[in-house]
Amino acid sequence: RKEVEQDPGPFNVPEGATVAFNCTYSNSASQSFFWYRQDCRKEPKLLMSVYSSGNEDGRFTAQLNRASQYISLLIRDSKLSDSATYLCVVPWGKSTFGDGTTLTVKP
Amino acid sequence: NAGVTQTPKFQVLKTGQSMTLQCAQDMNHEYMSWYRQDPGMGLRLIHYSVGAGITDQGEVPNGYNVSRSTTEDFPLRLLSAAPSQTSVYFCASRSGAEGYTFGSGTRLTVV
Repeated sequence: RKEVEQDPGPFNVPEGATVAFNCTYSNSASQSFFWYRQDCRKEPKLLMSVYSSGNEDGRFTAQLNRASQYISLLIRDSKLSDSATYLCVVPWGKSTFGDGTTLTVKP
Repeated sequence: NAGVTQTPKFQVLKTGQSMTLQCAQDMNHEYMSWYRQDPGMGLRLIHYSVGAGITDQGEVPNGYNVSRSTTEDFPLRLLSAAPSQTSVYFCASRSGAEGYTFGSGTRLTVV
C-alpha cells in the first residue's frame, strides 16, 4: 500500500462544474500537506499548502482531516485552464507523492 | 532568486554511456531529491539527501549514483545508460515544513 493514495481519476467535467479530489496518507505523524499542479510533464508547482483549519484561495479550497488521515481539494467554477494533474504531497519518508489525479475541463 | 536549476534540459544518450545530470539550488534547503517520471506515471524517488554529505536511496535507485558535497548541489549520475532509463528527471529541494521546489526537468532519451 502506498503511503499517499489519490483518487485515480481521470475526472472529465464541464466548465463551471465543482470537482473534488481526495487523498489519504498512512503516516499519522505527518505535519505538512500540500496540493501541487502538474501540466503535461512539466515540473509540479505548488498550488496550496493545507492547514489544519482548512484554507481557501479563490476557487480552490483545501481541507485536512487528521483523524481520518485524508486531505481534499475542491475546485469551484472549473475553468478550461484548470485542466492538469493534481498531486497530493505529504512529505514523510521516501514516498511522499500521490500518483496524481488528472482533471480535464471541457467547454 | 533562481530556485532549483537543472541542466541539461534535453539529452540523448547511447546505451552504455554515462552522464551526470546537474541540480543546484540557491535557497539553502537541506533536503534535495531526484525523481523520474515515465509517461502516464507518477513521480518515483531515485535518491535523496537530508544535508551535505548525507545521501540515501529512494524507491528506484538501481543504475544511479548521487553525491552531496555542498548544500547547493546534488548531481545524479547514470552509470551505464539503458533504454529503460528513458524518462523525465526532476530535481527538487525543500526545507523544514515547506513544500518542494522543483527544477524544470531533464528529458532523457537512451537509444
